[in-house]
Amino acid sequence: GQNIDQPTEMTATEGAIVQINCTYQTSGFNGLFWYQQHAGEAPTFLSYNVLDGLEEKGRFSSFLSRSKGYSYLLLKELQMKDSASYLCAVIDSNYQLIWGAGTKLIIKP
Amino acid sequence: DVKVTQSSRYLVKRTGEKVFLECVQDMDHENMFWYRQDPGLGLRLIYFSYDVKMKEKGDIPEGYSVSREKKERFSLILESASTNQTSMYLCASSPPGQVTDTQYFGPGTRLTVL
Repeated sequence: GQNIDQPTEMTATEGAIVQINCTYQTSGFNGLFWYQQHAGEAPTFLSYNVLDGLEEKGRFSSFLSRSKGYSYLLLKELQMKDSASYLCAVIDSNYQLIWGAGTKLIIKP
Repeated sequence: DVKVTQSSRYLVKRTGEKVFLECVQDMDHENMFWYRQDPGLGLRLIYFSYDVKMKEKGDIPEGYSVSREKKERFSLILESASTNQTSMYLCASSPPGQVTDTQYFGPGTRLTVL
């Protein structure tokens, strides 16, 4: 079966750094997305990785290792507005999107 | 900016009722999707459409149908609502091409079936 694993919930402090991990077992791989979803709102696109390595975009970075079936989202200089769920999604060999359950990130002052 | 709108943010229906959820996008996207989102589960694809009058089943189509009569509009229909269809329903659209394109989501409809 196909599976995406993310921690259910994480807590971090304002101003700190947090890393949200995502591991996947899918039939093939054609890319990995990270989306942010604030409570009661629509998911919004954060990043897309298809090659190994780190992609940096402001305070957010996303890393991919295809050989390990692993990705992480790194958030720096955390702000209260970063409190949200972070969804990992993988495109499999049939170009279908497989979604993780999401990680709820709680930021404390 | 891409805008995807959904007809209702909150909806309460009774078991057995026919329910229509409407989704409209204003960016001329070919691809449109309906998902449901439940706590502890990832987004699950119900149906998707790559063109007008075209539809494909997703992972959990049972109990649902869809309609795409116009490019900008994709409707999800619950023929006879049941309590296990209580969920958050999200519509999304994406430009033509591979699914590697970013999907743009609507705000969601939280449906409660009593």
